[in-house]
Amino acid sequence: DAGVTQSPTHLIKTRGQQVTLRCSPISGHKSVSWYQQVLGQGPQFIFQYYEKEERGRGNFPDRFSARQFPNYSSELNVNALLLGDSALYLCASSLENSGLRALHFGNGTRLTVT
Amino acid sequence: QKEVEQNSGPLSVPEGAIASLNCTYSDRGSQSFFWYRQYSGKSPELIMFIYSNGDKEDGRFTAQLNKASQYVSLLIRDSQPSDSATYLCAVNVNNDMRFGAGTRLTVKP
Repeated sequence: DAGVTQSPTHLIKTRGQQVTLRCSPISGHKSVSWYQQVLGQGPQFIFQYYEKEERGRGNFPDRFSARQFPNYSSELNVNALLLGDSALYLCASSLENSGLRALHFGNGTRLTVT
Repeated sequence: QKEVEQNSGPLSVPEGAIASLNCTYSDRGSQSFFWYRQYSGKSPELIMFIYSNGDKEDGRFTAQLNKASQYVSLLIRDSQPSDSATYLCAVNVNNDMRFGAGTRLTVKP
């Protein structure tokens, strides 16, 4: 079975631009979470979606938005990019929405903002 | 106070030794605890999870949880150079997974 897939793998954008990152969960997984990881730090929670509804939101500005589609894939959008948005963006899927769920991560999208 | 705290390391142990990684968390309502391993340039991969007080063993790995002390640890027995990585502690807080900054482990041959 395919794992969590993310696209693109690398992206270079200019300040002020907008970016869309994509994620396909493991087959059968209905929950998708997005994380931002800056070098030397742990992943920071951005969003969680389950059954196409937002179930959690981290401490990120409104420039960050996301959605989940009927096939459970997901997109993360970031508007008005800042230099500080440069990071590895990780998507993780899980079977369910409970607090006991384990996350399975994709390989990430490396975003560089210049 | 950070929600999940880990010593950043680096922690260096000789091959064959026991590596001990520690993590504390602030939310007493947390019910599930996870350890992830992240190799440089790669994404985190799940090693173990623990829900109940006490020890849980899986091969060379043992997770220990003490909810009263809000403390969770990971022991790696017979450490191998391939265990060299950053180990992330994660705690489920209000159904959101929160990660520590990670401890970098180096196992020297």
